[in-house]
Amino acid sequence: EDQVTQSPEALRLQEGESSSLNCSYTVSGLRGLFWYRQDPGKGPEFLFTLYSAGEEKEKERLKATLTKKESFLHITAPKPEDSATYLCAGDHTGGFKTIFGAGTRLFVKA
Amino acid sequence: EADIYQTPRYLVIGTGKKITLECSQTMGHDKMYWYQQDPGMELHLIHYSYGVNSTEKGDLSSESTVSRIRTEHFPLTLESARPSHTSQYLCASSSGTSGGETQYFGPGTRLLVL
Repeated sequence: EDQVTQSPEALRLQEGESSSLNCSYTVSGLRGLFWYRQDPGKGPEFLFTLYSAGEEKEKERLKATLTKKESFLHITAPKPEDSATYLCAGDHTGGFKTIFGAGTRLFVKA
Repeated sequence: EADIYQTPRYLVIGTGKKITLECSQTMGHDKMYWYQQDPGMELHLIHYSYGVNSTEKGDLSSESTVSRIRTEHFPLTLESARPSHTSQYLCASSSGTSGGETQYFGPGTRLLVL
């Protein structure tokens, strides 16, 4: 069964304390691995798409990486405004069934 | 920047009422989706559309219905709202034919059924 599992469920960091969020996936024929940011009461905002193992993408303090079984979202020197829920999702063969993880809630304290 | 809109943003309604949640996108995307999301939980696909006059049910059983008469418009209707329908409803759209396309989300509609 296709599945996306994110850990930890919640992460509390001090401002400037770098860390990583994990996304483990078992998605047959993975077409794309997505990272989204979701603020409370809002829709997910697209961050990255990764298509093949070894691929990396960066945006400001965020860097996403992909292996054959996992993806990591590395956060370097986070700021309070990085506080949000980060969602991981896998899109598999067939196109219309994107599998979402439950997300990691990140809290960054000043 | 994605241009996808949902109305209303918040809705409080009594049991048994019929409601329609609106979703519109101005990007010309052929694919559109409706997801349901409870607090702290995964997004679950309830309906999707390949294009005009093409709709399919998702994995999550839902008592709602959708229509796609125009490319830009994908409304979701609940014929008789129940407290179990209380949730956040997210609309999204994407383009492409091979899978792996980025989905762009609207701001969501938070529904409370009393």
